[in-house]
Amino acid sequence: DAGVTQSPTHLIKTRGQQVTLRCSPKSGHDTVSWYQQALGQGPQFIFQYYEEEERQRGNFPDRFSGHQFPNYSSELNVNALLLGDSALYLCASSRFETGNSQPQHFGDGTRLSIL
Amino acid sequence: TQLLEQSPQFLSIQEGENLTVYCNSSSVFSSLQWYRQEPGEGPVLLVTVVTGGEVKKLKRLTFQFGDARKDSSLHITAAQPGDTGLYLCAAAFNAGGTSYGKLTFGQGTILTVHP
Repeated sequence: DAGVTQSPTHLIKTRGQQVTLRCSPKSGHDTVSWYQQALGQGPQFIFQYYEEEERQRGNFPDRFSGHQFPNYSSELNVNALLLGDSALYLCASSRFETGNSQPQHFGDGTRLSIL
Repeated sequence: TQLLEQSPQFLSIQEGENLTVYCNSSSVFSSLQWYRQEPGEGPVLLVTVVTGGEVKKLKRLTFQFGDARKDSSLHITAAQPGDTGLYLCAAAFNAGGTSYGKLTFGQGTILTVHP
């Protein structure tokens, strides 16, 4: 049973470029969330997708956008990259249900470095 | 904006010592999760607590949820070098009775256990 998989594992870009990160959720999960984690800090919520729609969004600019496909996989797109976008980007999946107790399973992330 | 304060930020102890990590908020949680993260990997779920006053044990780890559901603690007994890592608390704050699973993370506690 495969867990959450993310690609690529590492990526180097320059300022102003655009990047797409990919995530496949754990088998049986239908909801995907994206988080940004700066070095030595806790993850910060970017947004969440369910039924191919963005359901919630954190305090991130419109340069951050996403998509969810019918097979529940997801992409995170970041435009006009800034040096401050350098971070570990984590994808988490869960099963959508009412209430807050469903656990989220995380991938190992994509390490994005902006030069 | 709901915030989670986690303390201490750093903890360096000798093998065999006990330790406690705290997680506090001014808002009521719907549920709280504790994760452990190692370098180069995503967070791994340790436990989820949902009921005020709840106590859960996982081998040498004891997790407690405050009665008012605004705080939680993680206690490790007889720490071992293998416990070294970043410990994160993450809370779900219920929004109108339904949840899409957005998690708010604390800033994390970096634990180092020396042999």
